[in-house]
This record gives sequence, C-alpha cells and structure tokens, in this order.
Amino acid sequence: GAGVSQSPSNKVTEKGKDVELRCDPISGHTALYWYRQSLGQGLEFLIYFQGNSAPDKSGLPSDRFSAERTGGSVSTLTIQRTQQEDSAVYLCASSLTSGRDTQYFGPGTRLTVL
Amino acid sequence: GDSVTQMEGPVTLSEEAFLTINCTYTATGYPSLFWYVQYPGEGLQLLLKATKADDKGSNKGFEATYRKETTSFHLEKGSVQVSDSAVYFCALMNAGNNRKLIWGLGTSLAVNP
Repeated sequence: GAGVSQSPSNKVTEKGKDVELRCDPISGHTALYWYRQSLGQGLEFLIYFQGNSAPDKSGLPSDRFSAERTGGSVSTLTIQRTQQEDSAVYLCASSLTSGRDTQYFGPGTRLTVL
Repeated sequence: GDSVTQMEGPVTLSEEAFLTINCTYTATGYPSLFWYVQYPGEGLQLLLKATKADDKGSNKGFEATYRKETTSFHLEKGSVQVSDSAVYFCALMNAGNNRKLIWGLGTSLAVNP
C-alpha cells in the first residue's frame, strides 16, 4: 500500500520567504508527527497531531513555524520569513493511533535557505 | 527530560564482522525503545522495537534487548553485510510524552567487502 508521501522533495528558497511543506499520511492513520533532521542537531520533534488537533506543539522552534491538518489527513508545515538556520530535512511520520504504534516515515523534504 | 545517547560513529567493519552499536537512555516511566535505519538516499525505516523490559526485538539478523537495569538497548548483528551500510538511530517513545520519538544522534556504519 501507499506509504507516507511528502512534497516537495527539495525546496530551495531565499532568506525571508515563506515556504509550505506538505505531508500525506498513510490512509487511516490518525496520528501525524513532524520532525526535523539537521546537521549537528540530529532528529528533533516539532509537532504532533491527533486527528486535526495538535496536542503537542512543544518542538516548534519559533512562532515563524506553524502547522495544520485538515480532514484528519493531509498536513502542511509552514515556515514564515525563513532563515538560514531553518535549512534541514523535514520529516513527516504517521501512525495508526497515538499509542505505542510504529511511526512510519515519509522520504522528507530537504529545505535549503540561501 | 527524556534522552537517548548512542555511540558515535562512523563505524567501519569488514563483511561478516560482528556489530554492536551501543544505546542508553534516560526516561521516566516505561518507554518503548526503537532502532530505525536510514539507507543511503532513502527514508527512515523501523528496524526493530521493544515495548517492555527484557523484550528482544529482532529483524534482518539484527537484535536488541530492552535492559531496564542498565537502561540500554544495544543493537547487535552477528555477521554484517555490505548492504547493512547505513545510519542507525536509537529512539524512545514515552507514553507520558505524547508519544513523540526522542532520538539519538545516529551512528553511521560502513561495511567493506
């Protein structure tokens, strides 16, 4: 079956521009997670959705970062006024429920801010 | 807060050598423990997991045992192959922490023929 998909796969933008990253979870998965993978920082949790609600936004690094999820499916991570330190691979994962179910990861979006 | 520490790489081995990648954790309660693998050019894949003390996760010849007394989840394989070359990540999930994964920094493994 289809796995988690993310788009775009690569995004190059100029400092100060806004970007939107999209995640399509596995059909039927109610939990959705965003992580960031950057050199020297490893993998960091950003935000977690259960359905359309975000019970945990504690990992969002600043108020320039926001995310939403609609219809219990697609999620969009938006970064406003991008900075060079935002350059990273942004990973999305989904799981069947928010319990101890395995999280399945998408291929990621590589964001480069010039 | 919860944290994961894994041995730094890179690790370079010859084919058929024995592999150990150490992972220790700090967490309240009873977390689940995971090893994920990232092959070159690919996304993260779950390799194995264990959800309670003394559980052994295994997959593709890899094993790891959840040791609560030593707060460890070391990854082992008896005979590595070139195709095992990848980055390996240890992670924990704590039910009391909204089920987010807390990650180690990753260990790069290169296996030479």
